[in-house]
Amino acid sequence: KNQVEQSPQSLIILEGKNCTLQCNYTVSPFSNLRWYKQDTGRGPVSLTIMTFSENTKSNGRYTATLDADTKQSSLHITASQLSDSASYICVVEVNFNKFYFGSGTKLNVKP
Amino acid sequence: DAGVIQSPRHEVTEMGQEVTLRCKPISGHNSLFWYRQTMMRGLELLIYFNNNVPIDDSGMPEDRFSAKMPNASFSTLKIQPSEPRDSAVYFCASSGQGAYEQYFGPGTRLTVT
Repeated sequence: KNQVEQSPQSLIILEGKNCTLQCNYTVSPFSNLRWYKQDTGRGPVSLTIMTFSENTKSNGRYTATLDADTKQSSLHITASQLSDSASYICVVEVNFNKFYFGSGTKLNVKP
Repeated sequence: DAGVIQSPRHEVTEMGQEVTLRCKPISGHNSLFWYRQTMMRGLELLIYFNNNVPIDDSGMPEDRFSAKMPNASFSTLKIQPSEPRDSAVYFCASSGQGAYEQYFGPGTRLTVT
């Protein structure tokens, strides 16, 4: 079983709609959780990095939440745009020196 | 700043050949990461350096892979001999002192035939 599970695997939404991506993890001891956006053919770009004490963090239209007790995180995208079409990858760092990767959610925003 | 620079951007080679991928991190950053990404396995961390010293190489798949960081501004990832299953996009990323955020390069697309 993957230690960082992302859902859904893929998602299609209409431009202007909101969506929420999920990331559940089992690894410990938790150091931080990162959300990356990866456009096709490019390297990942960091959206948010959340430490144990942070419940919510926003970056423009992107809002990440973290529940360290249930080991769940979500990434909410508000008023989606065509440029939000990308893969979104959740990464959990453990012990400040080991990284565990989700397999990503592929988002397609249609006009 | 130009960001993380990787070369070459594309590499096509025959099975058994040696492949060397290069990375120049962002100036002033002291941590450097090598990743591999495939459709099947997603993004995987191969190795990372802190202050030019390898910290965790547990992701290096086998002895055919080696990485060096001779100074703060340059790192190489070498595959010798290469195999078709090494075909992937290889990313290099760097981060600053005490910072969590990693900045990724554009990647090198490697095809081994």
